[in-house]
Amino acid sequence: DARVTQTPRHKVTEMGQEVTMRCQPILGHNTVFWYRQTMMQGLELLAYFRNRAPLDDSGMPKDRFSAEMPDATLATLKIQPSEPRDSAVYFCASGSTGKSGEAFFGQGTRLTVV
Amino acid sequence: AQSVTQLGSHVSVSEGALVLLRCNYSSSVPPYLFWYVQYPNQGLQLLLKYTTGATLVKGINGFEAEFKKSETSFHLTKPSAHMSDAAEYFCAVSKIQGAQKLVFGQGTRLTINP
Repeated sequence: DARVTQTPRHKVTEMGQEVTMRCQPILGHNTVFWYRQTMMQGLELLAYFRNRAPLDDSGMPKDRFSAEMPDATLATLKIQPSEPRDSAVYFCASGSTGKSGEAFFGQGTRLTVV
Repeated sequence: AQSVTQLGSHVSVSEGALVLLRCNYSSSVPPYLFWYVQYPNQGLQLLLKYTTGATLVKGINGFEAEFKKSETSFHLTKPSAHMSDAAEYFCAVSKIQGAQKLVFGQGTRLTINP
């Protein structure tokens, strides 16, 4: 059963520490999205990649966040340094331009910065 | 720019009653519309989507939605609520087909009363 896999599922870290979240998209999907979910802001698009190239990262705070796709099977989202306001659930989703358009979501990484 | 408004952050219905979750969108181009469901501590799962063609769309778990261009709406309905329908529901819009970025509404939490 194909699915998007995110690790870790939960992360508690201290303010100032680096955080790395990983995502394995569904095999064959050429588009990867990073969303952040908070109670106040809902679901926000942080960045997305097409064929491993960044298409749009305008939703991402550039000073501390970075997103990369080292290869087609791995996407990473890093926060350095982390701050309490970064506490949220981070979702990775993948999709294919050859399909009808929906994105398939992972189960998310719940990040708590204390 | 595209946007989605979900009317009602919380909806409560009795088991067996009609479920109606409202979604209105704003789009400068013909939209592609989606409903996702999120169960506690899970990622988002696609319920149904409208791309082109028939305006009444049937999805999983007995849900359906109707695209009404004149009203810029895409309301989600289910004739008879089940306890297992309790979850958060998100309406989303994208500009074109094929794994494009989704703009989400704020979500509606559905509670089912026994």
